[in-house]
Amino acid sequence: GENVEQHPSTLSVQEGDSAVIKCTYSDSASNYFPWYKQELGKRPQLIIDIRSNVGEKKDQRIAVTLNKTAKHFSLHITETQPEDSAVYFCAASSSNDYKLSFGAGTTVTVRA
Amino acid sequence: GAVVSQHPSRVICKSGTSVKIECRSLDFQATTMFWYRQFPKQSLMLMATSNEGSKATYEQGVEKDKFLINHASLTLSTLTVTSAHPEDSSFYICSASAWGAQFFGPGTRLTVL
Repeated sequence: GENVEQHPSTLSVQEGDSAVIKCTYSDSASNYFPWYKQELGKRPQLIIDIRSNVGEKKDQRIAVTLNKTAKHFSLHITETQPEDSAVYFCAASSSNDYKLSFGAGTTVTVRA
Repeated sequence: GAVVSQHPSRVICKSGTSVKIECRSLDFQATTMFWYRQFPKQSLMLMATSNEGSKATYEQGVEKDKFLINHASLTLSTLTVTSAHPEDSSFYICSASAWGAQFFGPGTRLTVL
């Protein structure tokens, strides 16, 4: 099955700086890579996703890049704000079954 | 769009009892729903895939007789934790698949005494 690894496990940044989270996956059949933000006790919220037919996608301060050859993808948050503090999960799935395999999560803390 | 609800949000039960959790897609139809379990400070672990009109598919290590799943309609899937024990205490989250993405319910915090 799919194995998704995520680094770092914790990330502390100064407000206004950028945050980068990296994930690798093992199954070459995976073609959908979403990123979720989860606040304590709440549901994971989809913040951005990318499919294997593109290499980069951007939505305001958030961007995701995908390198299919190397099987890794990354989340970039620019101009971080205190409300960006949360746990972020990467995931991967294939169109064969749409099952999501999650990374272990990254706890992001934005210092004011 | 893509709103998923879950009920109840919290439940406390005695050991040995059964608990039913409902997951509903409110503004779309979902032929496939997923059930996850999340322990504190850990990631989401897929328990099973719920398919409307057919049997659920369970992940390795998940007991199908303990975690009963029923997907009776295109908007409702239920998870029943049978004969619950304290080690079943966790955050249970469902998701519904739509437009190639998954949208999560708010989760159910189960505490078994």
